[in-house]
Amino acid sequence: DSGVTQTPKHLITATGQRVTLRCSPRSGDLSVYWYQQSLDQGLQFLIQYYNGEERAKGNILERFSAQQFPDLHSELNLSSLELGDSALYFCASSVDAQGLNYGYTFGSGTRLTVV
Amino acid sequence: AQKITQTQPGMFVQEKEAVTLDCTYDTSDQSYGLFWYKQPSSGEMIFLIYQGSYDEQNATEGRYSLNFQKARKSANLVISASQLGDSAMYFCAMREGWNYGGSQGNLIFGKGTKLSVKP
Repeated sequence: DSGVTQTPKHLITATGQRVTLRCSPRSGDLSVYWYQQSLDQGLQFLIQYYNGEERAKGNILERFSAQQFPDLHSELNLSSLELGDSALYFCASSVDAQGLNYGYTFGSGTRLTVV
Repeated sequence: AQKITQTQPGMFVQEKEAVTLDCTYDTSDQSYGLFWYKQPSSGEMIFLIYQGSYDEQNATEGRYSLNFQKARKSANLVISASQLGDSAMYFCAMREGWNYGGSQGNLIFGKGTKLSVKP
């Protein structure tokens, strides 16, 4: 167990639907990062939150949104789902906003299948 | 823009032999961090080794070492004495936009190298 908890582990849903992926960071970590891993795009950075505030945005679609709550857990919301959104979604956490002290811890991922 | 290149989509190595996985990077930052991760077929991302741009010595962690050549912008992973359990995808990554006082710390990843260890 890495200390980063992602739920659910697997999710199957239909096109056009909306889903929420949840991430609880490792205890003491303030930063949360979301990544998408697909066969054609590889591992893509989506968004970073630090202590409740958005810190950086990557290749995140407008149909996707995220937030970090006061208890530091984070949720990634994916709406109007398309077949191409099928991917493995990772959450990672770090103590600080810059991942210093090489402290990134990854969760085991949520595998999303859109049918 | 910062970029990571892994030119070997797949590699084979005989058990107990050493193998080098290539990684080159492109950045204009003076301070940066380089990482290697292992992803077995089960899917989780496992941290292997880290090299800071100002570290004078190559990083080592057990059977893993990082051959860091700053002038050539390469950060190759060397696995000594390969084991069957080393069969996995290996990703090279760089911390993006990092500098003291900077605001973000996300990683950018290469496409990965699939390593297969033969018995």
